[in-house]
Amino acid sequence: ETGVTQSPTHLIKTRGQQVTLRCSSQSGHNTVSWYQQALGQGPQFIFQYYREEENGRGNFPPRFSGLQFPNYSSELNVNALELDDSALYLCASSLLAEPDTQYFGPGTRLTVL
Amino acid sequence: LAKTTQPISMDSYEGQEVNITCSHNNIATNDYITWYQQFPSQGPRFIIQGYKTKVTNEVASLFIPADRKSSTLSLPRVSLSDTAVYYCLVGWSGNTGKLIFGQGTTLQVKP
Repeated sequence: ETGVTQSPTHLIKTRGQQVTLRCSSQSGHNTVSWYQQALGQGPQFIFQYYREEENGRGNFPPRFSGLQFPNYSSELNVNALELDDSALYLCASSLLAEPDTQYFGPGTRLTVL
Repeated sequence: LAKTTQPISMDSYEGQEVNITCSHNNIATNDYITWYQQFPSQGPRFIIQGYKTKVTNEVASLFIPADRKSSTLSLPRVSLSDTAVYYCLVGWSGNTGKLIFGQGTTLQVKP
């Protein structure tokens, strides 16, 4: 069984740039969620995708967008990067029928300068 | 989802049993109680989930009193590798997958 993987591990961008983060779901999972975790805080829900459609969204602006592909892998795109976007971005996969049991990847550490 | 309150930090020594209590006074009838563990520079990991009474797995036990307004995560005989942040989540994220994490409890296990 393959766990959740994310790429890249670390990323440095400058303010105003755009970034794409990638996630491969755990085998058999049809749902992927993305979270942002600032230093010293708990993860904050960005959105979830199920069957390639956005299935729920947290309090994040539209410049945070995502995609889910037929193989259940996913991308998180962030446009017009701001300094406050510096954080650990976590991807979690799950089954739609078991929403509280999510399997997280190791995260991508994004630094915006 | 119901708001939770848990201690910011706890210290323990290797071999001791650690109990982390979470308060959730506004828990709803349909809400489950779920605990996640997070090591530095890693994503959270599901530990245990329960609805009432006691649940035990190979990692931990979860004690939930009859009124369900609190719950206690019990880690038997902790080791240094149990040093992590532990999050208590209450609610049912339903079909949105929205887990709401608080600040969690930072457990430091000392030799």
